[in-house]
Amino acid sequence: EVQLVESGGGLVQPGGSLRLSCVASGFTFSNYWMTWVRQAPGKGLEWVANMKQDGSEKYYVDSVKGRFTISRDNTENSLYLQLNSLRPEDTALYYCARADDYGPSFAYWGQGTLVAVSS
Amino acid sequence: QSVLTQPPSASGTPGQRVTISCSGSRPNIGSNHVYWYQQLPGTAPKLLIYTTNQRPSGVPDRFSGSKSGTSASLAISGLRSEDEAEYYCAAWDDRLYGVLFGGGTRLTVL
Repeated sequence: EVQLVESGGGLVQPGGSLRLSCVASGFTFSNYWMTWVRQAPGKGLEWVANMKQDGSEKYYVDSVKGRFTISRDNTENSLYLQLNSLRPEDTALYYCARADDYGPSFAYWGQGTLVAVSS
Repeated sequence: QSVLTQPPSASGTPGQRVTISCSGSRPNIGSNHVYWYQQLPGTAPKLLIYTTNQRPSGVPDRFSGSKSGTSASLAISGLRSEDEAEYYCAAWDDRLYGVLFGGGTRLTVL
């Protein structure tokens, strides 16, 4: 059974940092693109970043470029998102999802981890 | 504001057929496949349609997707109360080099 479990969310002040983790199981992690998608409270879905199997390609939404960094450790079956220079508008539930390729084919999702940016 | 435009709401009665539209442009829907997601309250999104018109196993054939030019549609036939949810379209954008989601459509079953 495919499982994705996110962690690392929490309350942080504006300008602060967090590192989100997503541990995968039930499939060969190194064979898949992985992605982060977020959802602000009461709002719609927003794609944040994705990463190729070997890390050679990474893409980000414009609003997080230069502040967020996606990474992975295929030996640990883990996906990460480093969030720096956080802003109140980054407050959201952050989901990791398995992708079939660089596009939005996300067949499996985690339950999400909540990031709240507030003073 | 989302680059993929969906109506904020839609509704229908049980047994009816409902369609949800998703309007984009040449770099996204015009050049790439469209995907549809269903999100029930308090849960993670669920992939409903992939590569424009394919259903993952387990998704009822009441759900179908199509595309014409720079617009796509999700059709739900034989509407059921459990279909009441938020629906999102998504596509890759060749100009932005990223994934776009529509703003979402809340479907109400009357």
